[in-house]
Amino acid sequence: AQTVTQSQPEMSVQEAETVTLSCTYDTSESDYYLFWYKQPPSRQMILVIRQEAYKQQNATENRFSVNFQKAAKSFSLKISDSQLGDAAMYFCAYRSAEGGSEKLVFGKGTKLTVNP
Amino acid sequence: DSGVTQTPKHLITATGQRVTLRCSPRSGDLSVYWYQQSLDQGLQFLIQYYNGEERAKGNILERFSAQQFPDLHSELNLSSLELGDSALYFCASSVGGRGYEQYFGPGTRLTVT
Repeated sequence: AQTVTQSQPEMSVQEAETVTLSCTYDTSESDYYLFWYKQPPSRQMILVIRQEAYKQQNATENRFSVNFQKAAKSFSLKISDSQLGDAAMYFCAYRSAEGGSEKLVFGKGTKLTVNP
Repeated sequence: DSGVTQTPKHLITATGQRVTLRCSPRSGDLSVYWYQQSLDQGLQFLIQYYNGEERAKGNILERFSAQQFPDLHSELNLSSLELGDSALYFCASSVGGRGYEQYFGPGTRLTVT
């Protein structure tokens, strides 16, 4: 079974600075997807960014980018120019692309605080 | 706004009772997924339906059941409720199949007293 580990329960960053959230995963599959979801105090789960395992190029969405290291099974999220609205829980998630299961397997999350 | 709606937003009920949570997927999405978020277990996949048929099952208790109706809305039924069932229940939807993101609804907060 696949597992996702987020080793940083909490992180903090100064406004306008850059922060990196870590995620590692364990799988025997070669084809899969990885995601970062954001959960602000409103509790809504918001998709931030996704990465296909077969793509070597790291995904980027505006101020959010990932560092995907397939061999190391690492998938970190970098937030540049941090804003107060970035404060939230961030969840890393894995989804298989093999077979019929489309379920997301989540890590425990990292709580990000942005200091003004 | 993800386009996925869930009702009710909050539900408070007593142990032993039965409740029904409702989810309407985004327009055009055929797949519905249910997840449970609790403090001790984190976010866990419960069950997936695709176009009315059950497609995958996760850590769903036998006391829980779900279905997807012809209009594609889905309901999650929780019965013989226990204190430990208190959690945030999310519904997500996607087009279904390889490569499509899941978009989450706002969740239903269930409190069992």
